[in-house]
Amino acid sequence: EAGVAQSPRYKIIEKRQSVAFWCNPISGHATLYWYQQILGQGPKLLIQFQNNGVVDDSQLPKDRFSAERLKGVDSTLKIQPAKLEDSAVYLCASSSLRTGHLSGNTIYFGEGSWLTVV
Amino acid sequence: KQEVTQIPAALSVPEGENLVLNCSFTDSAIYNLQWFRQDPGKGLTSLLLIQSSQREQTSGRLNASLDKSSGRSTLYIAASQPGDSATYLCAVVRGTYKYIFGTGTRLKVLA
Repeated sequence: EAGVAQSPRYKIIEKRQSVAFWCNPISGHATLYWYQQILGQGPKLLIQFQNNGVVDDSQLPKDRFSAERLKGVDSTLKIQPAKLEDSAVYLCASSSLRTGHLSGNTIYFGEGSWLTVV
Repeated sequence: KQEVTQIPAALSVPEGENLVLNCSFTDSAIYNLQWFRQDPGKGLTSLLLIQSSQREQTSGRLNASLDKSSGRSTLYIAASQPGDSATYLCAVVRGTYKYIFGTGTRLKVLA
């Protein structure tokens, strides 16, 4: 079974520039997450999709961050304009859980997209 | 607001030692608690998942316990090996399957 795919793996941009990250979840997984992980901290949820609908985007800085999951499969996270404090790893994850279906199933992470803003 | 804390932040031990990692959370209304491992430059890999009705889970040399009433979970690693060196993260799982992560414990096992 293929894992969660993310690209690009590494990106260096100047502040005020824009960047986009792409994620392809595990086939059949309805739930997709984007997390931001700043060095030395735990991952922080930015946005959670259930199919192509948003479940939670309460911590997404909507003035500069946007995300979409067209057709309920792959997803794109965009930052425009980037700030120095956006330097982090952006982790995509997916699970087969339906919202509210609380079983022993788990979540699978991609290897992340490393962003450095200079 | 749910807060998840992990102690210690970093730990260095000689090979063969048994060790305990701690995770505490402020709101006991959780569905599951999950422990993950993160290697440098990699994503997170699930180690153990404890459902709210369970007290512990075991996998090989790993044992995780959950005490919802006190807001605590521990991850016990028996006979540590250099290959166990990584960052260990706990996450509480709330409604809509939202994962809230702790800050992690960086473990180094010395050969």
